[in-house]
Amino acid sequence: DAGITQSPRYKITETGRQVTLMCHQTWSHSYMFWYRQDLGHGLRLIYYSAAADITDKGEVPDGYVVSRSKTENFPLTLESATRSQTSVYFCASSDNPPIGYTFGSGTRLTVV
Amino acid sequence: GQQLNQSPQSMFIQEGEDVSMNCTSSSIFNTWLWYKQDPGEGPVLLIALYKAGELTSNGRLTAQFGITRKDSFLNISASIPSDVGIYFCAGYYTGANSKLTFGKGITLSVRP
Repeated sequence: DAGITQSPRYKITETGRQVTLMCHQTWSHSYMFWYRQDLGHGLRLIYYSAAADITDKGEVPDGYVVSRSKTENFPLTLESATRSQTSVYFCASSDNPPIGYTFGSGTRLTVV
Repeated sequence: GQQLNQSPQSMFIQEGEDVSMNCTSSSIFNTWLWYKQDPGEGPVLLIALYKAGELTSNGRLTAQFGITRKDSFLNISASIPSDVGIYFCAGYYTGANSKLTFGKGITLSVRP
């Protein structure tokens, strides 16, 4: 199916564990983004990518790692999860110029 | 950096009422967009505005790109229960490493 897919939809992990959130899009959009959404903070950009093998930091990158070896995939890794990383994470993609973002359905991550 | 201001954080209206939301910035933008996020889902693009002064409608929704290029508003007429959600404004300014800047969103509740 065409679209942007995030997995898993829900994840509970323990403090200190590594966890990877997946994002896959089928449009061959050049741009992909990761946001976290927390009450009172809106959408905050973690990392983004303008093309395969090109990534850049957003507003809140600390504690996160991304890679983009293929245009369609943009995984987000929390190297050592902390409770402050409990959040809802959204992936988005866009053609060039990066204006009309299409968002995934989100991953709700709880770090205990 | 660029910031978009949306207030109040929450709005409560009666079904059938009209509601207006605005979004302001200290910086100019070339493009303004409005997104809606349904509970448990990612934001979805409602309306995009590309020219100062532009007025665009999408069903019961009307949005305008302010003449100064520093603001935009969204009107919803004859609200219905499914209008419930978070409404985000976003702005885009063309340039190197440009990406959307999002407001923090307004949560709309509609009383039946």
